[in-house]
Amino acid sequence: DSGVTQTPKHLITATGQRVTLRCSPRSGDLSVYWYQQSLDQGLQFLIQYYNGEERAKGNILERFSAQQFPDLHSELNLSSLELGDSALYFCASSVRTYTGELFFGEGSRLTVL
Amino acid sequence: ELKVEQNPLFLSMQEGKNYTIYCNYSTTSDRLYWYRQDPGKSLESLFVLLSNGAVKQEGRLMASLDTKARLSTLHITAAVHDLSATYFCAVTNTDKLIFGTGTRLQVFP
Repeated sequence: DSGVTQTPKHLITATGQRVTLRCSPRSGDLSVYWYQQSLDQGLQFLIQYYNGEERAKGNILERFSAQQFPDLHSELNLSSLELGDSALYFCASSVRTYTGELFFGEGSRLTVL
Repeated sequence: ELKVEQNPLFLSMQEGKNYTIYCNYSTTSDRLYWYRQDPGKSLESLFVLLSNGAVKQEGRLMASLDTKARLSTLHITAAVHDLSATYFCAVTNTDKLIFGTGTRLQVFP
Protein backbone atom coordinates (compact mmCIF):
# COMPACT_ATOMS: atom_id res chain seq x y z
CA ASP A 1 0.00 0.00 0.00
CA SER A 2 1.59 3.25 -1.22
CA GLY A 3 -0.54 5.46 0.99
CA VAL A 4 -2.05 7.25 -2.02
CA THR A 5 -5.81 6.77 -2.20
CA GLN A 6 -7.83 7.11 -5.38
CA THR A 7 -11.57 6.94 -5.81
CA PRO A 8 -13.50 5.58 -7.53
CA LYS A 9 -11.59 2.46 -8.54
CA HIS A 10 -13.88 1.79 -11.47
CA LEU A 11 -16.23 4.08 -13.34
CA ILE A 12 -18.43 3.38 -16.34
CA THR A 13 -20.15 6.27 -18.04
CA ALA A 14 -21.47 7.42 -21.39
CA THR A 15 -20.03 9.73 -24.01
CA GLY A 16 -20.67 13.38 -23.33
CA GLN A 17 -20.81 12.94 -19.59
CA ARG A 18 -18.59 14.46 -16.90
CA VAL A 19 -16.76 12.63 -14.12
CA THR A 20 -14.55 13.58 -11.21
CA LEU A 21 -11.67 11.47 -10.00
CA ARG A 22 -10.34 12.02 -6.51
CA CYS A 23 -6.88 11.54 -5.05
CA SER A 24 -5.63 11.76 -1.49
CA PRO A 25 -1.84 11.92 -1.33
CA ARG A 26 0.35 10.26 1.26
CA SER A 27 0.44 12.02 4.58
CA GLY A 28 2.99 14.81 4.38
CA ASP A 29 3.29 14.83 0.59
CA LEU A 30 2.75 18.23 -0.99
CA SER A 31 2.97 17.32 -4.68
CA VAL A 32 0.29 15.51 -6.62
CA TYR A 33 0.63 14.26 -10.19
CA TRP A 34 -1.95 12.90 -12.58
CA TYR A 35 -1.17 10.39 -15.31
CA GLN A 36 -3.28 8.72 -17.95
CA GLN A 37 -2.47 5.19 -19.06
CA SER A 38 -4.06 3.80 -22.18
CA LEU A 39 -3.09 0.88 -24.35
CA ASP A 40 -2.06 2.95 -27.34
CA GLN A 41 -0.54 5.99 -25.58
CA GLY A 42 1.31 4.47 -22.66
CA LEU A 43 1.73 6.55 -19.52
CA GLN A 44 1.04 10.19 -20.26
CA PHE A 45 1.74 12.97 -17.79
CA LEU A 46 -1.27 15.23 -17.41
CA ILE A 47 -0.64 17.76 -14.68
CA GLN A 48 1.15 18.41 -11.41
CA TYR A 49 0.23 20.44 -8.34
CA TYR A 50 2.42 21.50 -5.49
CA ASN A 51 0.86 22.75 -2.29
CA GLY A 52 -2.26 23.91 -4.08
CA GLU A 53 -0.62 25.50 -7.08
CA GLU A 54 -0.25 24.15 -10.59
CA ARG A 55 3.43 23.44 -11.27
CA ALA A 56 3.59 21.62 -14.58
CA LYS A 57 1.30 20.71 -17.39
CA GLY A 58 1.61 17.86 -19.81
CA ASN A 59 -0.67 16.57 -22.51
CA ILE A 60 -3.87 17.47 -20.76
CA LEU A 61 -6.89 18.15 -22.95
CA GLU A 62 -8.89 21.33 -22.54
CA ARG A 63 -11.87 19.17 -21.60
CA PHE A 64 -9.91 18.06 -18.54
CA SER A 65 -9.15 20.16 -15.50
CA ALA A 66 -7.71 19.57 -12.08
CA GLN A 67 -7.15 21.26 -8.79
CA GLN A 68 -5.52 20.68 -5.45
CA PHE A 69 -7.39 21.73 -2.37
CA PRO A 70 -6.07 23.22 0.89
CA ASP A 71 -6.17 19.78 2.53
CA LEU A 72 -3.91 18.67 -0.37
CA HIS A 73 -6.31 16.23 -1.94
CA SER A 74 -6.73 16.64 -5.66
CA GLU A 75 -9.50 16.15 -8.16
CA LEU A 76 -9.32 15.53 -11.88
CA ASN A 77 -12.41 16.58 -13.79
CA LEU A 78 -13.08 15.04 -17.18
CA SER A 79 -15.90 16.51 -19.24
CA SER A 80 -17.56 15.91 -22.61
CA LEU A 81 -16.20 12.41 -22.42
CA GLU A 82 -15.26 10.55 -25.56
CA LEU A 83 -14.64 6.88 -26.17
CA GLY A 84 -10.92 7.58 -26.38
CA ASP A 85 -10.87 8.87 -22.82
CA SER A 86 -11.28 5.33 -21.56
CA ALA A 87 -8.10 4.65 -19.63
CA LEU A 88 -6.54 4.06 -16.26
CA TYR A 89 -5.94 7.34 -14.47
CA PHE A 90 -3.20 7.35 -11.88
CA CYS A 91 -2.47 9.82 -9.17
CA ALA A 92 0.95 9.96 -7.58
CA SER A 93 2.40 12.01 -4.77
CA SER A 94 5.78 13.04 -3.47
CA VAL A 95 7.08 15.12 -0.63
CA ARG A 96 8.30 17.90 -2.87
CA THR A 97 8.85 18.18 -6.57
CA TYR A 98 10.75 15.18 -7.86
CA THR A 99 13.26 15.13 -5.04
CA GLY A 100 12.54 11.50 -4.45
CA GLU A 101 10.36 8.76 -5.67
CA LEU A 102 6.76 9.15 -6.64
CA PHE A 103 4.22 6.94 -4.93
CA PHE A 104 1.34 5.86 -7.11
CA GLY A 105 -2.23 5.12 -6.19
CA GLU A 106 -4.11 2.09 -7.44
CA GLY A 107 -5.67 4.07 -10.23
CA SER A 108 -9.20 4.83 -11.41
CA ARG A 109 -10.31 2.81 -14.39
CA LEU A 110 -12.64 4.86 -16.57
CA THR A 111 -14.71 3.21 -19.24
CA VAL A 112 -16.65 5.44 -21.61
CA LEU A 113 -19.39 3.68 -23.59
CA GLU B 1 10.99 17.83 -25.85
CA LEU B 2 12.22 15.01 -23.68
CA LYS B 3 11.77 11.57 -25.17
CA VAL B 4 12.34 8.33 -23.34
CA GLU B 5 12.72 5.11 -25.25
CA GLN B 6 12.99 1.60 -23.98
CA ASN B 7 13.99 -1.55 -25.70
CA PRO B 8 12.96 -4.14 -26.14
CA LEU B 9 9.22 -3.50 -25.93
CA PHE B 10 8.54 -7.15 -25.33
CA LEU B 11 10.81 -9.71 -23.77
CA SER B 12 10.07 -13.37 -23.38
CA MET B 13 12.76 -15.18 -21.49
CA GLN B 14 13.35 -18.52 -19.92
CA GLU B 15 13.75 -18.94 -16.20
CA GLY B 16 17.36 -18.86 -15.13
CA LYS B 17 18.53 -16.68 -18.00
CA ASN B 18 20.00 -13.18 -17.85
CA TYR B 19 18.87 -10.18 -19.84
CA THR B 20 19.11 -6.40 -19.97
CA ILE B 21 16.49 -3.75 -20.63
CA TYR B 22 17.73 -0.45 -22.04
CA CYS B 23 16.39 3.03 -21.44
CA ASN B 24 17.58 5.94 -23.57
CA TYR B 25 16.54 9.53 -23.05
CA SER B 26 17.01 12.56 -25.24
CA THR B 27 17.90 15.47 -22.95
CA THR B 28 19.89 16.04 -19.80
CA SER B 29 18.19 14.91 -16.63
CA ASP B 30 19.28 14.64 -13.03
CA ARG B 31 17.43 11.55 -11.98
CA LEU B 32 16.05 8.37 -13.43
CA TYR B 33 13.49 5.98 -12.02
CA TRP B 34 12.59 2.39 -12.66
CA TYR B 35 9.07 1.16 -11.93
CA ARG B 36 7.35 -2.18 -12.13
CA GLN B 37 3.70 -2.64 -13.06
CA ASP B 38 1.70 -5.85 -12.85
CA PRO B 39 -1.30 -6.08 -15.22
CA GLY B 40 -4.09 -3.72 -14.17
CA LYS B 41 -2.19 -2.70 -11.06
CA SER B 42 -0.37 0.34 -9.79
CA LEU B 43 3.26 1.25 -10.37
CA GLU B 44 5.78 0.10 -7.82
CA SER B 45 9.02 2.01 -7.44
CA LEU B 46 12.09 -0.14 -7.92
CA PHE B 47 15.05 2.21 -8.14
CA VAL B 48 15.92 5.90 -8.11
CA LEU B 49 19.25 6.72 -9.76
CA LEU B 50 20.60 10.16 -8.97
CA SER B 51 24.08 10.46 -10.41
CA ASN B 52 26.33 9.31 -13.19
CA GLY B 53 27.65 5.85 -12.54
CA ALA B 54 24.99 5.08 -9.96
CA VAL B 55 24.30 1.38 -9.56
CA LYS B 56 21.57 -0.12 -7.40
CA GLN B 57 20.65 -3.73 -6.85
CA GLU B 58 17.66 -5.42 -5.32
CA GLY B 59 17.42 -9.19 -5.55
CA ARG B 60 17.73 -10.28 -9.16
CA LEU B 61 17.45 -6.75 -10.54
CA MET B 62 20.29 -4.29 -10.98
CA ALA B 63 19.96 -0.80 -12.41
CA SER B 64 22.69 1.53 -13.60
CA LEU B 65 22.89 5.03 -14.99
CA ASP B 66 25.25 6.66 -17.48
CA THR B 67 24.24 10.31 -17.72
CA LYS B 68 26.82 11.09 -20.39
CA ALA B 69 25.37 8.47 -22.69
CA ARG B 70 21.84 9.26 -21.46
CA LEU B 71 21.37 5.57 -20.89
CA SER B 72 20.12 3.44 -18.06
CA THR B 73 20.03 -0.34 -17.93
CA LEU B 74 17.98 -2.76 -15.88
CA HIS B 75 19.74 -6.10 -15.71
CA ILE B 76 17.88 -9.24 -14.79
CA THR B 77 19.88 -12.10 -13.35
CA ALA B 78 18.61 -15.68 -13.35
CA ALA B 79 15.04 -14.71 -14.13
CA VAL B 80 12.14 -16.26 -12.25
CA HIS B 81 8.44 -16.26 -13.10
CA ASP B 82 7.65 -13.71 -10.38
CA LEU B 83 9.56 -11.10 -12.35
CA SER B 84 6.96 -11.21 -15.12
CA ALA B 85 5.58 -7.67 -15.34
CA THR B 86 5.97 -4.46 -17.31
CA TYR B 87 9.00 -2.35 -16.43
CA PHE B 88 9.11 1.38 -17.00
CA CYS B 89 11.94 3.82 -16.79
CA ALA B 90 11.09 7.47 -16.19
CA VAL B 91 13.16 10.62 -16.42
CA THR B 92 12.63 14.03 -14.92
CA ASN B 93 12.43 17.15 -17.05
CA THR B 94 11.93 20.34 -15.05
CA ASP B 95 8.73 19.50 -13.20
CA LYS B 96 7.64 16.60 -15.33
CA LEU B 97 8.34 12.91 -14.99
CA ILE B 98 8.28 11.36 -18.43
CA PHE B 99 7.85 7.63 -18.75
CA GLY B 100 9.35 5.33 -21.31
CA THR B 101 7.26 3.05 -23.46
CA GLY B 102 7.62 0.16 -21.06
CA THR B 103 9.08 -3.30 -21.50
CA ARG B 104 6.71 -6.18 -21.05
CA LEU B 105 8.64 -9.08 -19.57
CA GLN B 106 7.37 -12.62 -19.57
CA VAL B 107 9.39 -15.34 -17.89
CA PHE B 108 8.54 -18.90 -18.75
CA PRO B 109 9.75 -22.20 -17.30
